[in-house]
Amino acid sequence: DAKTTQPTSMDCAEGRAANLPCNHSTISGNEYVYWYRQIHSQGPQYIIHGLKNNETNEMASLIITEDRKSSTLILPHATLRDTAVYYCIPNFGNEKLTFGTGTRLTIIP
Amino acid sequence: ETGVTQSPTHLIKTRGQQVTLRCSSQSGHNTVSWYQQALGQGPQFIFQYYREEENGRGNFPPRFSGLQFPNYSSELNVNALELDDSALYLCASSLGAAGNNEQFFGPGTRLTVL
Repeated sequence: DAKTTQPTSMDCAEGRAANLPCNHSTISGNEYVYWYRQIHSQGPQYIIHGLKNNETNEMASLIITEDRKSSTLILPHATLRDTAVYYCIPNFGNEKLTFGTGTRLTIIP
Repeated sequence: ETGVTQSPTHLIKTRGQQVTLRCSSQSGHNTVSWYQQALGQGPQFIFQYYREEENGRGNFPPRFSGLQFPNYSSELNVNALELDDSALYLCASSLGAAGNNEQFFGPGTRLTVL
């Protein structure tokens, strides 16, 4: 699986959009980009995944650059409950996930 | 809540002992994966079971073993415990039939080895 680079930590004001970047420049052509988050003292939670096209669901939007070397997860209206560690995970869809250290997102009231 | 449960919540063992951790997957999920999460780190993949057979293993020694049962439950066994085995152990279940599925994680078992 490709290696990723994510900011160690980010802050975002409540109600604003949170944009979390991820660099995955070594991603293979058939690797998906998955995003999971882990709220304190809980197991990770799936957010979204995509291959080439931008994706949106009820939780977030995923923007993947055309060269697929980076992506951005967007939480459109952040709430305090979105405070968590966010992991960007390239994966072939085999569900054997390789987590990095992620981005610790703090939503500020 | 994901419907994936794990037991026990916390466990304290001493070095050299053996431990069994349990996971109950969501009904209908025939794939279960186990992860180890050390403090301050992301989860690390231990192994995966699909329809009761091991289906891939991470960089963990053979003293980490598992079982998956037909009733959607599974076990992680660790023999000859070492201090570095202290961690949060997570199980995750998924449909697994065609891959590329969302994984549903349990809350984890925190193991402390003294």
